[in-house]
Amino acid sequence: ETGVTQSPTHLIKTRGQQVTLRCSSQSGHNTVSWYQQALGQGPQFIFQYYREEENGRGNFPPRFSGLQFPNYSSELNVNALELDDSALYLCASSLALAGVKDTQYFGPGTRLTVL
Amino acid sequence: GENVGLHLPTLSVQEGDNSIINCAYSNSASDYFIWYKQESGKGPQFIIDIRSNMDKRQGQRVTVLLNKTVKHLSLQIAATQPGDSAVYFCAEPNNAGNMLTFGGGTRLMVKP
Repeated sequence: ETGVTQSPTHLIKTRGQQVTLRCSSQSGHNTVSWYQQALGQGPQFIFQYYREEENGRGNFPPRFSGLQFPNYSSELNVNALELDDSALYLCASSLALAGVKDTQYFGPGTRLTVL
Repeated sequence: GENVGLHLPTLSVQEGDNSIINCAYSNSASDYFIWYKQESGKGPQFIIDIRSNMDKRQGQRVTVLLNKTVKHLSLQIAATQPGDSAVYFCAEPNNAGNMLTFGGGTRLMVKP
């Protein structure tokens, strides 16, 4: 186990609703990244948070937003849910060191179903 | 690597045999690679990583080989066990180090 936790494990929403997913990073890690994984595909990068600021963003619309808190935990918010948002949402934590590409360790994910 | 959608390549091996899972990359400047194992309904689990100053790295029952000339890496699993059944992804970070790009994945099925 990585020590990265996510909540909730499963969630069902309807189109147009808003959702908040939560992630607690591994002890000692200061960076949290979020990924979306559709069924049968590899994870796709949404964004990363470092020192409570967004540190890079993938090809996702602004209705995907996030936060990082002083204890390095993070939230992913999705507004105006669409059917295609149904996916496994993964959080990964890492320790950012200057000049070093670091390994990202994943949590178990939150399965979001949009009806 | 690129996403191959719903039709993941599948490798079927007999329990006890060795498995080799391959991954190609396109950026010759890539200098760090990670292999993840993902079981059904779970998050990707780190297996092993390798930096470009190495050609080979070994872990417990796993070996990663990196061939920078042909931009190819492989994951070798020795004495494959039923618990090794999963989807395996290679991944590499971008230059900024913040975004992982995953290969399409390979499904490993171990026959008892």
